[in-house]
Amino acid sequence: DAKTTQPNSMESNEEEPVHLPCNHSTISGTDYIHWYRQLPSQGPEYVIHGLTSNVNNRMASLAIAEDRKSSTLILHRATLRDAAVYYCILRAPTSGTYKYIFGTGTRLKVLA
Amino acid sequence: DTGVSQDPRHKITKRGQNVTFRCDPISEHNRLYWYRQTLGQGPEFLTYFQNEAQLEKSRLLSDRFSAERPKGSFSTLEIQRTEQGDSAMYLCASRKISGPYNEQFFGPGTRLTVL
Repeated sequence: DAKTTQPNSMESNEEEPVHLPCNHSTISGTDYIHWYRQLPSQGPEYVIHGLTSNVNNRMASLAIAEDRKSSTLILHRATLRDAAVYYCILRAPTSGTYKYIFGTGTRLKVLA
Repeated sequence: DTGVSQDPRHKITKRGQNVTFRCDPISEHNRLYWYRQTLGQGPEFLTYFQNEAQLEKSRLLSDRFSAERPKGSFSTLEIQRTEQGDSAMYLCASRKISGPYNEQFFGPGTRLTVL
C-alpha cells in the first residue's frame, strides 16, 4: 500500500490560512487522495478528496502537485474549531475494499 | 453527529474478561468497517462487511476477536480473554457503495481500558 508522510504538528494563528502538506511519492495512477480530520474525542470526519485536479469545498481546498507525489490541504481561515489531527490517506488499491490506511497525521494547533 | 452510533462509549474491564461492542451504521449504508486506534496513532483497519458478509479481516484481528453483522444492519465486535494490549479506541465506520464517491462516516468510538 502506498504510504503518506506528514509533519507531526503545525501551528497557525486564528483567521489565518493554513497549508498542511502531504508527501505520497509512491502513489499509483488510480489512488485517490483523501483528507480526514479527527477532533478531540471524536471519530475521523471527511474533509475533501481528489485525484488529479485541485478541489474546493465548503471546508477546505486540496492542491495536488502535477506529478501527484504531494498534495496540500488548505484551510482558508483557521478557527479554533479546526484544531484537530489531519490525516492524508491514499485509498488502498485492493479489490473494492475501500479501507483506509491512516498514518499518524498532523496535529494542528490554532492559536487565538 | 455523523449518524453512526457506538455503544458503549467507554468500557473498563479486567484482563481475561470478554467484552462486546455494538455499532449502528447509517441505515442505507451497506458497508461497515471496524478500526482500532491506540494513543498517538491513526486508526488501523480491522475488518469490514458488505451487508452481512465479512469480506476482509486484517492480520491484527487475532482469533480472540470476532465480528458479526447478522442482518446487515448493526454490527458487534467481541474480544475474548482481553489483554492489556487490547486497550484502545475501537471505531466503526459505514459507507454506501453506490454512486461515484461516498466517504466513510465514523462513529464516536468505544474506548476500551483493560486493567
